[in-house]
Amino acid sequence: SSELTQDPAVSVALGQTVRITCQGDSLRSYYASWYQQKPGQAPVLVIYGKNNRPSGIPDRFSGSSSGNTASLTITGAQAEDEADYYCNSRDSSGNPHVVFGGGTKLTVL
Amino acid sequence: EVQLVESGGVVVQPGGSLRLSCAASGFTFDDYTMHWVRQAPGKGLEWVSLISWDGGSTYYADSVKGRFTISRDNSKNSLYLQMNSLRTEDTALYYCAKVYVLRYFDWSLDDWGQGTLVTVSS
Repeated sequence: SSELTQDPAVSVALGQTVRITCQGDSLRSYYASWYQQKPGQAPVLVIYGKNNRPSGIPDRFSGSSSGNTASLTITGAQAEDEADYYCNSRDSSGNPHVVFGGGTKLTVL
Repeated sequence: EVQLVESGGVVVQPGGSLRLSCAASGFTFDDYTMHWVRQAPGKGLEWVSLISWDGGSTYYADSVKGRFTISRDNSKNSLYLQMNSLRTEDTALYYCAKVYVLRYFDWSLDDWGQGTLVTVSS
């Protein structure tokens, strides 16, 4: 099975731009989706596909991909963006298994 | 409005069995692949299983394969997870989640329930 690797923690100053990355072999074949999870809440999908935002997700969230690395960028981070962020993708094994990254704790300073 | 409501989580002894349910509403249930995802206390998200929109295909994480069985009843808009031979490491909050793209083995999970807590302990 595949693995997706994320930095455990990232910090950003209020109003600045931050990039959260996700690395894995499966990302060479499949897009990553990104989820935001705040304490005590279920995850929320923030980016899917090449760079698509579900309804209600602010446009400061964007996604990109290059080679085996997918990135979630928050342009002008807000205090309410402080959360855990997870990437996921389809496994590259040939079956539609799913794999999640270990998550990144984002702190907004 | 899409709603996913999980139930069935309890405290169970190692080796025991449990059946989780997820009641779905607000969308055409039989058009969407559904997933179970779990989160151990203080840990990250772990994919558990998926079932196709028609129930004809199922897939499992290696950690649960042979012990867990996913199923659905489209006439009742319900998703299930039968959990057997439970281990302490199965202790987690179990979420059901709906995919974004209909009739596809999607991994973009756009709607989640609030989860049901399974505790495996003696």
